[in-house]
Amino acid sequence: AQRVTQPEKLLSVFKGAPVELKCNYSYSGSPELFWYVQYSRQRLQLLLRHISRESIKGFTADLNKGETSFHLKKPFAQEEDSAMYYCALSSGSSNTGKLIFGQGTTLQVKP
Amino acid sequence: NAGVTQTPKFQVLKTGQSMTLQCAQDMNHNSMYWYRQDPGMGLRLIYYSASEGTTDKGEVPNGYNVSRLNKREFSLRLESAAPSQTSVYFCASRGAGGGGKPQHFGDGTRLSIL
Repeated sequence: AQRVTQPEKLLSVFKGAPVELKCNYSYSGSPELFWYVQYSRQRLQLLLRHISRESIKGFTADLNKGETSFHLKKPFAQEEDSAMYYCALSSGSSNTGKLIFGQGTTLQVKP
Repeated sequence: NAGVTQTPKFQVLKTGQSMTLQCAQDMNHNSMYWYRQDPGMGLRLIYYSASEGTTDKGEVPNGYNVSRLNKREFSLRLESAAPSQTSVYFCASRGAGGGGKPQHFGDGTRLSIL
C-alpha cells in the first residue's frame, strides 16, 4: 500500500540551527515526491519536488530510494520558516496526479 | 490570475443540513481534487476529477458527492452534514501530464457542524 510517514508531529529548533524534517514513503513503483508548506492559516504551497532537484528558501530534499526517504533539510533555520510541512507522494505512472500526504510536521523556530 | 478560488471561506451548519462547497480554477487545469484536513491526519483525498466529465472516489468519500460542472468548476456537496465532517476542506487543481507536476491549492473552507 502507498503510504507517507512523517514521524515528528512537532520539531522545535532555535534560529540558526540546522533543520531536518523526516519523510519516509512506501511505494513499489516510481514515486514522485513533493514537500508542501502551509504558513499559519494560509493555503498549501509547493516548496520542493524531487524531480527538480532545486533549493527553495534554502531548503533541499534528496530522494533516497534505498531508504525510501525524502527528508527536508535546511542548514540554518529562520523564524519565518515556522509553518506546517507536508510530504506528499504521487504515482509517477498515473496521470491522475493524486497525492498521498503524510501527517504533517509543525516546525517551530524560536528566536 | 486568481488560481484556485473556494467559497465560502467559513460556514457553520447544524447536523442534517446540506451544503455545497464551490471551487473554481482559472489555470485551464484538467484535474481537480477535494481534500479534508484534520489535526494529526494530514490531508486526505475525498474525491477527484482526473479530467472534465469524470469523477472518482478518494480515500474518504462517504457522506460526500461531487460534480465536475465544467473544466473550471468542481463542487463538493454534503447531503446531510454530520459532526464528523467538521474539518477544513481544500480544493486543488493540476495540469495535464506527469513529470512532477504539482497541485495548486485554494485557501480552504473551514466548516463546523454542530
